[in-house]
Amino acid sequence: AQSVTQLGSHVSVSEGALVLLRCNYSSSVPPYLFWYVQYPNQGLQLLLKYTSAATLVKGINGFEAEFKKSETSFHLTKPSAHMSDAAEYFCAVSESGANNLFFGTGTRLTVIP
Amino acid sequence: ETGVTQSPTHLIKTRGQQVTLRCSSQSGHNTVSWYQQALGQGPQFIFQYYREEENGRGNFPPRFSGLQFPNYSSELNVNALELDDSALYLCASSRGSLLSSYEQYFGPGTRLTVT
Repeated sequence: AQSVTQLGSHVSVSEGALVLLRCNYSSSVPPYLFWYVQYPNQGLQLLLKYTSAATLVKGINGFEAEFKKSETSFHLTKPSAHMSDAAEYFCAVSESGANNLFFGTGTRLTVIP
Repeated sequence: ETGVTQSPTHLIKTRGQQVTLRCSSQSGHNTVSWYQQALGQGPQFIFQYYREEENGRGNFPPRFSGLQFPNYSSELNVNALELDDSALYLCASSRGSLLSSYEQYFGPGTRLTVT
């Protein structure tokens, strides 16, 4: 069975500070992992995905995530937060050959000026 | 290129009624997936339609049903609405059914309120 745990439903950072959003997964097979962002009144947008290639994945808007099998983690980071990064972030897991995603409960990121 | 669109934006229904939600997929996409996002939760997979056939279903009862049309647009139908069906319903389209190969593009969602 697959599942995703996102630690911290709310995270606040100052503008220019490091962003770290945590995601731990559970999967009985090698997973595919995704980070999505959701702005108010909008659908989900894919930030980045891990599909068993390089463990450090670079995405859009300066975000990146590192797949750590030993820790079953896929944390999302960005070196310097911008005001425009304020949104809801979802981590999701899938399996090779699968056609559906299992999402975490999300982390709301607030950026303080 | 037009993105994924959904209609209506908001909808209020009474318990026991039926509802139909609509999704127009992005140009060139033959796959549509539907997700339910309850307040404060992550999206949950309802089902996927690939080339007009249901291609996988999550843990949702049969009163949740769907259709995909030859132009690959899709409908989600929910019968006998319950209060717990209140949620944001998201549609996502892609060029193929496998998430490892094809990115899903999400629409803005339909907010359904059941009273």
